[in-house]
Amino acid sequence: GQNIDQPTEMTATEGAIVQINCTYQTSGFNGLFWYQQHAGEAPTFLSYNVLDGLEEKGRFSSFLSRSKGYSYLLLKELQMKDSASYLCAVTVTSGTYKYIFGTGTRLKVLA
Amino acid sequence: EAQVTQNPRYLITVTGKKLTVTCSQNMNHEYMSWYRQDPGLGLRQIYYSMNVEVTDKGDVPEGYKVSRKEKRNFPLILESPSPNQTSLYFCASTWGGNTGELFFGEGSRLTVL
Repeated sequence: GQNIDQPTEMTATEGAIVQINCTYQTSGFNGLFWYQQHAGEAPTFLSYNVLDGLEEKGRFSSFLSRSKGYSYLLLKELQMKDSASYLCAVTVTSGTYKYIFGTGTRLKVLA
Repeated sequence: EAQVTQNPRYLITVTGKKLTVTCSQNMNHEYMSWYRQDPGLGLRQIYYSMNVEVTDKGDVPEGYKVSRKEKRNFPLILESPSPNQTSLYFCASTWGGNTGELFFGEGSRLTVL
């Protein structure tokens, strides 16, 4: 089967660093995406990893280990506006072309 | 402006009354897909389309139909809605099969009484 796990909720302080983990078990793995979703809004793209390693984009970085079925999203210098849900999604190509999302991690940034 | 447009944004309907949620994109994307989002369950893919006249089931297709007669449009059809289809629906599109980032519409909140 296809399964993606993320923590349900996390809390961090403004200015701090937070790491949101995602583990997955899928067949025909193609790549892994992270999306940000503010309450009441549509998800927006943050990052994409297809090869092992770290991808850095400003305050956000994403890491992938294909052999371990593991990814994390690292948010540095947290700001209040980073309070949102963070969705991990895997694309598969084993005869299908699906996007499979985790249930999302709700991050609260406290002043 | 590059966008995905869904209509209606909000709808309250009754069990069994057929409805269609439209989705249109202006980015010439080949891949389009529909999702429903429910508390605690996250985003679940309903149907996707790799190109015109090519559609396939996602993980929760029961009770839904789609069509892709034109590249820009991908309507979601609920032939006989039931209360368990009350949800927030998102349409999304991307280029290059399922290897590209998804661009989402603003969402359609559907309530079936």
